[in-house]
Amino acid sequence: GDSVTQMEGPVTLSEEAFLTINCTYTATGYPSLFWYVQYPGEGLQLLLKATKADDKGSNKGFEATYRKETTSFHLEKGSVQVSDSAVYFCALKDTGRRALTFGSGTRLQVQP
Amino acid sequence: DTAVSQTPKYLVTQMGNDKSIKCEQNLGHDTMYWYKQDSKKFLKIMFSYNNKELIINETVPNRFSPKSPDKAHLNLHINSLELGDSAVYFCASSQGPSETYEQYFGPGTRLTVT
Repeated sequence: GDSVTQMEGPVTLSEEAFLTINCTYTATGYPSLFWYVQYPGEGLQLLLKATKADDKGSNKGFEATYRKETTSFHLEKGSVQVSDSAVYFCALKDTGRRALTFGSGTRLQVQP
Repeated sequence: DTAVSQTPKYLVTQMGNDKSIKCEQNLGHDTMYWYKQDSKKFLKIMFSYNNKELIINETVPNRFSPKSPDKAHLNLHINSLELGDSAVYFCASSQGPSETYEQYFGPGTRLTVT
C-alpha cells in the first residue's frame, strides 16, 4: 500500500536558519505529492504540490522537488521566520486513489 | 469568504451521546472528505463523497455515518460516542477525485468525549 515517512520532530531552528524536512514515499502508481502546513489551532493549508517527476513546487519561500529515483519530496526553505512555526505534513495521492495518504507530521519551532 | 467551513469548532459531550458535525464548501467542488486527526497528529481518511455518492468508506465503525444532502454539504453523524472518538475531525473538498486535484481543508472540529 501507499505510505509516507517524515522525519521525526520537533525541529528547532533559529530565525534565518536553513530548513530541510525529509519526506520519502512508497506508492504503487504515479502519485501527486503535497506539503500541507498546520498552524497552531488551525486547519491544514496546502503549501505546495508537484504532480510528476522532476517537478518543483514552491510557495512562500518553500520548495520541494519530486524525485522519483529516490522516492523523495523534501521540503526546504533558505531562511525561516518565527511565523513559520507550525506542523508540516507530507502527503501523496496515488493514481486511482481517492484520498490523501499523510505522513505523521513534523513540528517546526523557530526561535527569534 | 470561508471556502470550507465546519460547525461546531469545539464539541464536548459524554459517552453514549449522539452528535453531528456539519461541513459546507462554497468552492463549487464535486468531492468532499472527512479525515480524523488523532492526538499524535496522525491524519487518516474516513469517508469521501463525489457528487453526493459515497466513493470512500474506510474501516470506520458503523456508529459513524456520513450524509451528503447536496454537493456543497457533507455531514458526519456519530452514534453512541466513545472515549476513543476524541479527536479533531477535518472536512475537505476538491474539484474532483483525481490525484492531481488539491484538497482544501476546513478549520477542524475538536471533539472531546468525557
